[in-house]
Amino acid sequence: GQNIDQPTEMTATEGAIVQINCTYQTSGFNGLFWYQQHAGEAPTFLSYNVLDGLEEKGRFSSFLSRSKGYSYLLLKELQMKDSASYLCAVLKSSASKIIFGSGTRLSIRP
Amino acid sequence: GAVVSQHPSWVICKSGTSVKIECRSLDFQATTMFWYRQFPKQSLMLMATSNEGSKATYEQGVEKDKFLINHASLTLSTLTVTSAHPEDSSFYICSARGGPQQETQYFGPGTRLLVL
Repeated sequence: GQNIDQPTEMTATEGAIVQINCTYQTSGFNGLFWYQQHAGEAPTFLSYNVLDGLEEKGRFSSFLSRSKGYSYLLLKELQMKDSASYLCAVLKSSASKIIFGSGTRLSIRP
Repeated sequence: GAVVSQHPSWVICKSGTSVKIECRSLDFQATTMFWYRQFPKQSLMLMATSNEGSKATYEQGVEKDKFLINHASLTLSTLTVTSAHPEDSSFYICSARGGPQQETQYFGPGTRLLVL
């Protein structure tokens, strides 16, 4: 089976930095995705990590440690539009399907 | 690139009717498409995986006779909810793999289904 854990809700202040953690336990791990989902909309792709380390893409960065089964998404210079759910998802190599965590609802306050 | 469309975007139907949802990859060929269902304030639950020209693989607990999937071409997959009931009301989202980043799934905008 698989288990993907991330906090249910987080709150942060506009202009600040927030880190959303994700831990996973799964067989056949091939990589980890982060998606952003605004209420009532479909998820949009943010990042995909296969190797250990930090990948930076503008205001968003994603980190992966395969040995620890751990990832985080780092959002800098927070904007009100960043209020959304952030989904951690694992790609299982055996079935080539993505399994989603329950998501973290991030609220940005002025 | 990697645009996925879904049609319709929302549908309201009476209990007992069947509803067909289309998922299209507009600018790439999708070797695999996925169908998800999402209830309010919950995460995406994978329903089935469909490969072009072959039968879909359903997740445990998903009735294949109720949720019919057809992946007739490399750019089109359809999900038919047969004899829909109020408990089938949900947000149905498709995704397609095969775009610029081969491992990444690109999501359609979703279809909101309300069964009365």
